Amino acid sequence: QLQLQESGPGLVKPSETLSLTCTVSGGSISSTYYYWGWIRQPPGKGLEWIGSIYKSGNTYYNPSLKSRVTISGDTSKNQFSLKLTSVTAADTAVYYCARVTIATLDVWGQGTTVTVSS
Amino acid sequence: QSALTQPASVSGSPGQSITISCTGTSSDVGSYNLVSWYQQHPGKAPKLMIYEGTKRPSGVSNRFSGSKSGNTASLTISGLQAEDEADYYCCSYAGSSTWVFGGGTKLTVL
Repeated sequence: QLQLQESGPGLVKPSETLSLTCTVSGGSISSTYYYWGWIRQPPGKGLEWIGSIYKSGNTYYNPSLKSRVTISGDTSKNQFSLKLTSVTAADTAVYYCARVTIATLDVWGQGTTVTVSS
Repeated sequence: QSALTQPASVSGSPGQSITISCTGTSSDVGSYNLVSWYQQHPGKAPKLMIYEGTKRPSGVSNRFSGSKSGNTASLTISGLQAEDEADYYCCSYAGSSTWVFGGGTKLTVL
C-alpha cells in the first residue's frame, strides 16, 4: 500500500527558505506514469498546486511560484523535496505531497503545517 | 493560470441531491477530459472522488457522479448523507504538466 509522509520544520522565519521532504513507501518515485507533487492549503483557504517532478527528474511549477520553488528527487532514499525561498506570512499553510497522474492526485500524505513567523 | 471557479457554499437536506459547478477556461477544463474532484473533511487530507470527469475510484459511493459541458464541470451528490458534509475541490489538468484547483465549495447537510 502506497504511503506518503511529509517532514520538515514547522516554523520558518520570513525571508528564509522553507524545506520539506516527502518520503514514499510501498512504491517507487521512479515509477513510470507517475508524477510526484506538492500542494499547499493556507489556513481557511483552498488548495494550490505548487509543482511536480517526474521520474526523469523533469520538474514543473505553478507559474505564480516558479521563481521561488525547486522540487528535487532522491531515488536512493525514495524521497522528493520542496524548497521555497524568500518566504513570507502568505506562505503559511498545510503542505501536502501527493502521487500525481495526468488525471488524478490519488494518494496524499497527511500534510504538514508550516508557519512563517519571526 | 487562474483558479477554477466554484461556488463558495452549497447546502441540502438528507436524501436530496446537490450539484457543485467548476468553471474554467478553454485552456484547462474545456481542453481536457481531465477534471477530478476531491472531498476534504476538516483536518484531513483531500480524497479523490471523481477522475476524468465522470469516473469513480474503487470504493467511492455511486451517489457521487461527475459531468462536463464546455468549460464547466459538475459534481453531483445524490441521496445526501450527513457524512457528505465537507469541502469539495475540483482540479483540472492545464497542459504542459501543470494542474489548477478550484477555490473549493463547502457542502452543508441541513
